[in-house]
Amino acid sequence: AQTVTQSQPEMSVQEAETVTLSCTYDTSESDYYLFWYKQPPSRQMILVIRQEAYKQQNATENRFSVNFQKAAKSFSLKISDSQLGDAAMYFCAYRSARFQKLVFGTGTRLLVSP
Amino acid sequence: GAVVSQHPSRVICKSGTSVKIECRSLDFQATTMFWYRQFPKQSLMLMATSNEGSKATYEQGVEKDKFLINHASLTLSTLTVTSAHPEDSSFYICSASSRSGRDTQYFGPGTRLTVL
Repeated sequence: AQTVTQSQPEMSVQEAETVTLSCTYDTSESDYYLFWYKQPPSRQMILVIRQEAYKQQNATENRFSVNFQKAAKSFSLKISDSQLGDAAMYFCAYRSARFQKLVFGTGTRLLVSP
Repeated sequence: GAVVSQHPSRVICKSGTSVKIECRSLDFQATTMFWYRQFPKQSLMLMATSNEGSKATYEQGVEKDKFLINHASLTLSTLTVTSAHPEDSSFYICSASSRSGRDTQYFGPGTRLTVL
């Protein structure tokens, strides 16, 4: 069974600084998708970024980028120029290309200070 | 685009009653919908997957007779918690995906259920 591990329960960053959230996963499959979702205090899950495993290029969405290391099964999220609105729980998630089920990590709480 | 709504956002009910939660995809056709449960300070736990027009597939340990799921149309899925008990109190979240949605799940805002 696939598993997703987020080893950082909580991270802190100051406004305008950069922070990296870690995520590792375990799978025997070669075709899959990886996601980062943000859950602010409102608890609405918001898609931050998506990566297809067959793509070597790392995904980027404005201030958010990933470092996808397929051989190492690592999928970290980098947030540049952090803003107060980035404070939230961040969940890393895995999805097999064969099945639609998402497997979530335990989440990392990101604190942003002025 | 890709907006998913849930109704109600909060519900309080008495023990023994049934509660229905609706999940709607507002601007796309959701061929598949998912229901999750989230306990405080924990991750999302998938309860079941439903495809339009067919029976839901429940995850191991989820009582299908207690959590009834109906996916009658491409824009609506409902979760009914039958004979609710205080231990059913939780935050329930739905998500939806479409064949053309690049396999991404879009989430509703969630429903907080409190059973007294």
